[in-house]
Amino acid sequence: DTAVSQTPKYLVTQMGNDKSIKCEQNLGHDTMYWYKQDSKKFLKIMFSYNNKELIINETVPNRFSPKSPDKAHLNLHINSLELGDSAVYFCASSQASGSPEQYFGPGTRLTVT
Amino acid sequence: SQQGEEDPQALSIQEGENATMNCSYKTSINNLQWYRQNSGRGLVHLILIRSNEREKHSGRLRVTLDTSKKSSSLLITASRAADTASYFCAAGPNAGGTSYGKLTFGQGTILTVHP
Repeated sequence: DTAVSQTPKYLVTQMGNDKSIKCEQNLGHDTMYWYKQDSKKFLKIMFSYNNKELIINETVPNRFSPKSPDKAHLNLHINSLELGDSAVYFCASSQASGSPEQYFGPGTRLTVT
Repeated sequence: SQQGEEDPQALSIQEGENATMNCSYKTSINNLQWYRQNSGRGLVHLILIRSNEREKHSGRLRVTLDTSKKSSSLLITASRAADTASYFCAAGPNAGGTSYGKLTFGQGTILTVHP
């Protein structure tokens, strides 16, 4: 069974469009994250939610809006896409307490043309 | 600027050899984690070492941590072709509050193991 899943796996879209990426985890974790990995493989945290509450927001343009309908889901909506948004976006989850290792989804490769 | 830096950026070895990767970080930490990323895949957690530990083993992996130098190393012994991947260190801040879970990743070491 997939622990952390993301859809879609690939997303190709034009500048100015709005798109969403969905993430679900079946690990029973309390905390979920969005990361962005650029073309140089640098991985940077964008957001973190704990029990549906936003706890980390890392100076991300407000065109990016995360939404957590419940603690098993964390979606990322991006408005007015720009060329610089092209990257691989990873969802991850972890327990709020106890062992802090994170479990990552397979990634969504976003290409903005 | 990036918090973590890894050295070397790329490492190419033969099967059976050992691979050593180094990581430096800048802030105080609660733990230091290592992850592997196969091409086109998500990151997989390998091993975690807490700030009060100096060395940890897991199978063919050995991790060391020197908090005075803010550095860590990952040793993979008797490497296999299947170990070919990118390896990332991630600094974990002290637990609690808004910093919990905010891992700061290094840029990674690309390891290639030739059969």
